[in-house]
Amino acid sequence: QQQVKQSPQSLIVQKGGISIINCAYENTAFDYFPWYQQFPGKGPALLIAIRPDVSEKKEGRFTISFNKSAKQFSLHIMDSQPGDSATYFCAAIYSGGYQKVTFGTGTKLQVIP
Amino acid sequence: DSGVTQTPKHLITATGQRVTLRCSPRSGDLSVYWYQQSLDQGLQFLIQYYNGEERAKGNILERFSAQQFPDLHSELNLSSLELGDSALYFCASSVDGGRGEQFFGPGTRLTVL
Repeated sequence: QQQVKQSPQSLIVQKGGISIINCAYENTAFDYFPWYQQFPGKGPALLIAIRPDVSEKKEGRFTISFNKSAKQFSLHIMDSQPGDSATYFCAAIYSGGYQKVTFGTGTKLQVIP
Repeated sequence: DSGVTQTPKHLITATGQRVTLRCSPRSGDLSVYWYQQSLDQGLQFLIQYYNGEERAKGNILERFSAQQFPDLHSELNLSSLELGDSALYFCASSVDGGRGEQFFGPGTRLTVL
């Protein structure tokens, strides 16, 4: 089983602060790294994704930083808002002709006013 | 709304029983994925189908089976149910089996008593 280790398990951030979630992977064959956001009672939804040929990708308040040599990537949420409170999953994909996804264990983020 | 539908929304059954979960992918999506999410656990990839054929297998128990029909809807069959099978089961779909974004359905919550 290819693993993706995610930390922290839970995170409490003040409104306006920066939320940082980290993930580490083992298999260097992974070639696509998405982050999913899941609200209670809903299915996960793709938030942002990166490929290993870039070190950073930014979309609005969400940024992925990618360190290929360390086999680590992280999600930064700038100016965190109470509406960002959700569970975040990192994932790693080996395309290889078909998509096989390995998810991290999730981080429950709570943004307090 | 992701466009992926799952039925039923909730299912309560007893140990030893068999249930079938149904998933209809987004219009135009050829690939269907099944995931299991246990309480406070991450997403475990179970199995993927692409245009009716099995493409990838994850941590799917032998008691579980799935298929994708010619109209592209998919069913996940769970038999000889155990208490530990209680979980949220998500279906996701993508246009192809490669790097296409996966769109998740709302899930089926299975409770085994």
